[in-house]
Amino acid sequence: GQNIDQPTEMTATEGAIVQINCTYQTSGFNGLFWYQQHAGEAPTFLSYNVLDGLEEKGRFSSFLSRSKGYSYLLLKELQMKDSASYLCAGVDSNYQLIWGAGTKLIIKP
Amino acid sequence: ETGVTQTPRHLVMGMTNKKSLKCEQHLGHNAMYWYKQSAKKPLELMFVYSLEERVENNSVPSRFSPECPNSSHLFLHLHTLQPEDSALYLCASSRSPGGSYNEQFFGPGTRLTVL
Repeated sequence: GQNIDQPTEMTATEGAIVQINCTYQTSGFNGLFWYQQHAGEAPTFLSYNVLDGLEEKGRFSSFLSRSKGYSYLLLKELQMKDSASYLCAGVDSNYQLIWGAGTKLIIKP
Repeated sequence: ETGVTQTPRHLVMGMTNKKSLKCEQHLGHNAMYWYKQSAKKPLELMFVYSLEERVENNSVPSRFSPECPNSSHLFLHLHTLQPEDSALYLCASSRSPGGSYNEQFFGPGTRLTVL
């Protein structure tokens, strides 16, 4: 079966760095998305990886290892507004998104 | 603001009611989606439309009935729902239903409570 695993909840301190991991098992692979969702709001696009390696975009970076079926989202210089859920989604051979349950990130002062 | 709007934002209905959820996208996209989001569960894809034609129906109960009159509008008609149908219903759109880089843009969702 197809599956996306990510931690349910993480806590970090303002100004620190946090890494949110995601492991995936999909039938075929056509990339992996990360989305951010604040409580009561729409998920918004953060990143897309299809090749191995690290993609940096400001304070946020996303990493992919296709051989390990693994990705992570790295958030630096954490701000209170980064408190949100982070959704990992793999793209299978039919170009369908397989979603994880999301990681709720709590930022403490 | 993602370019996808949904109404109503909140809906409370009894099990015998009939209601409709509305979604509108202002992005010129050709594909639209309905998702169900329940607490601590992955997003569940319910329906996919491409150019107003349904291309995916993930075994959703018939008490949920989608309608796509044009590429900008999507409805979800609800009737005789069950309390377990209470969830956040998200609408999304993308340029096309397939393709490897096919970012989906989401609306804010309708929080549905079935009594």
